[in-house]
Amino acid sequence: NAGVTQTPKFRILKIGQSMTLQCTQDMNHNYMYWYRQDPGMGLKLIYYSVGAGITDKGEVPNGYNVSRSTTEDFPLRLELAAPSQTSVYFCASSYSGTVSGYTFGSGTRLTVV
Amino acid sequence: QQQVKQSPQSLIVQKGGISIINCAYENTAFDYFPWYQQFPGKGPALLIAIRPDVSEKKEGRFTISFNKSAKQFSLHIMDSQPGDSATYFCAASKGGGTGANNLFFGTGTRLTVIP
Repeated sequence: NAGVTQTPKFRILKIGQSMTLQCTQDMNHNYMYWYRQDPGMGLKLIYYSVGAGITDKGEVPNGYNVSRSTTEDFPLRLELAAPSQTSVYFCASSYSGTVSGYTFGSGTRLTVV
Repeated sequence: QQQVKQSPQSLIVQKGGISIINCAYENTAFDYFPWYQQFPGKGPALLIAIRPDVSEKKEGRFTISFNKSAKQFSLHIMDSQPGDSATYFCAASKGGGTGANNLFFGTGTRLTVIP
């Protein structure tokens, strides 16, 4: 049972480049989330999904896009990378949206130069 | 705007000592308060949580103290061990800990336990 898998673990982007952060879960969870974690700050919610085909904005969605075509996958897209998007990104999932049931992935450390 | 304020930013404790991390909130709609433990290179993992109808919850060496009138809650780690060295996040949620856009994190405390 892999849980929540994120790829890549590390990435360096140049300003203006685009990339997709991958997230997949094998627990048949309906809810999936993307958070970013900046130094000295708590996790901030970027986007979330309550099921395949349904996504919604979180607290800090600007500069990102998501899609949810399957229950398992929830990719996060950066279209025009900016230095402000340098952060550690965490994907999480839960069965019913209950906070106590969140499972986090190990994160993707992204640096934009 | 930081919905949950956490202190200290870092903490160094001797092995066997007590580690105390404090959090405060303003929004009285919060009704579920989890604590997460994060080891380097890993995602956060739920450690312990409390609802505001109790003033204390204990699980092993970890205890949450909750003061509803002061809108403050704290994590106490008794008999701290080097293996407890990690970053700890408090958080708060509305709706009894349900709902997808409902979890707000503190800024984290990096705990180092010295052997």
